[in-house]
Parts: sequence; C-alpha cells; structure tokens
Amino acid sequence: GDSVTQKQGQVTLSEDDFLFINCTYSTTTYPTLFWYVQYPGQGPQLLLKVTTANNKGISRGFEATYDKGTTSFHLQKASVQESDSAVYFCALVAASSSFSKLVFGQGTSLSVVP
Amino acid sequence: EAGVTQSPRYAVLQEGQAVSFWCDPISGHDTLYWYQQPRDQGPQLLVYFRDEAVIDNSQLPSDRFSAVRPKGTNSTLKIQSAKQGDTATYLCASSFQTNTGQLYFGEGSKLTVL
Repeated sequence: GDSVTQKQGQVTLSEDDFLFINCTYSTTTYPTLFWYVQYPGQGPQLLLKVTTANNKGISRGFEATYDKGTTSFHLQKASVQESDSAVYFCALVAASSSFSKLVFGQGTSLSVVP
Repeated sequence: EAGVTQSPRYAVLQEGQAVSFWCDPISGHDTLYWYQQPRDQGPQLLVYFRDEAVIDNSQLPSDRFSAVRPKGTNSTLKIQSAKQGDTATYLCASSFQTNTGQLYFGEGSKLTVL
C-alpha cells in the first residue's frame, strides 16, 4: 500500500535559522504530495501541495520540492520564526484515488526558540 | 464560513465503556473522513463517506468501531467497549468530491481510556 516516512521526529531551531524537513514515499502510482501543519489543539491544515507536474510549491515563506528519482520531497524555509513552531506532516494522495484519501507521515515537531 | 465542528472535545472513559463522537462538516462538502491520531503520530484514516455511502471502512480497527452518516451531512463515530489502545484524538475532515488532497479538519475529539 501507499506509505510516507518522516524520520525526523523533533527539530529545534533558533529564530532566523534555515529549516529543512525530508520525507520519502512509496506508491505504485504518481502521487500528489502535500505538507500539512498542525498547531497545538487544532486539526492539521494544508500548507503546500506539490504535483508531479510542477515539482514545487510555495506558501507563506515555505517551499516544497519533489524528487521523483529518489521518491522524496522536502519542506524548507529560509528563516523560521517562533510562530512556525508546530508539527509538520508530509502526506500523499495516490493518482488512482478518486477521493482525497490522504496518507500521512509520522510528523516532525518543530520548536523554534527566540 | 463555518469550519468543521466536532464534539465533544474531550472524553475520559474506563475500559469497557462506550463513546460517540459527532462531526458537522463544512456545508456543501460531500466527502467526510474520520482519522485516528495517536499521541505523537500522524493521522490514520479510519473510514470515509461520499454523501451517506461508506466508500471505505476497511481501516476501522474492529467491530467495536462504527460510523454512520445517515443524511449525507453530519456523522457519528461510535466506539463500543473502549480499550486503552483506543486512546487517541479522533479527527473529522471534509472535502469536496475531487481528489485535490485539500481536507478541512476539525479540532478533534481527544479520547482517554483509563
């Protein structure tokens, strides 16, 4: 079945540091890839979407890129702020799915200290 | 526009008790999802509906779990005879029918089974 793996469980950075979170995936079809962000006490919300057509997504200073050759995609931000502290999930929807059946990774908890 | 509404926000049970979680999706969203999110893990799909029809309930953990959406709007997820392993946050999400991957999540119902 489809799966997504995030190996970085926790990341701690200082304000203005560079953020890089990596994710690998496995699927039998060309997927659409996503980054969701979850703040404490809230449900996940969509941050970025990356398709195999455009290979890149940008939103709120975050950038996501996709590498079909290594079946990986990553999230980066040039300069993090304390307000970026949250849990970040990579996720995919298989191309064969008629619905938004998201498969999530385990999540990366980001703490940004002033 | 109102978001996805879930209740109750919190539930604490003894093993063997039953609990029901209720979800009101965004108006006009015909697809509704229930996810289970154990502490420090990513959301895992339990069941999803298109209108009142169950599309896939193969990930419901056991016959102790059931979900309905009788009129294609609100939905109820019920756990009978809860176990400690059911401790998790139960997230409801909705979307329009296309497979865009954009799900709108509620704040979740946090269940603790003692």
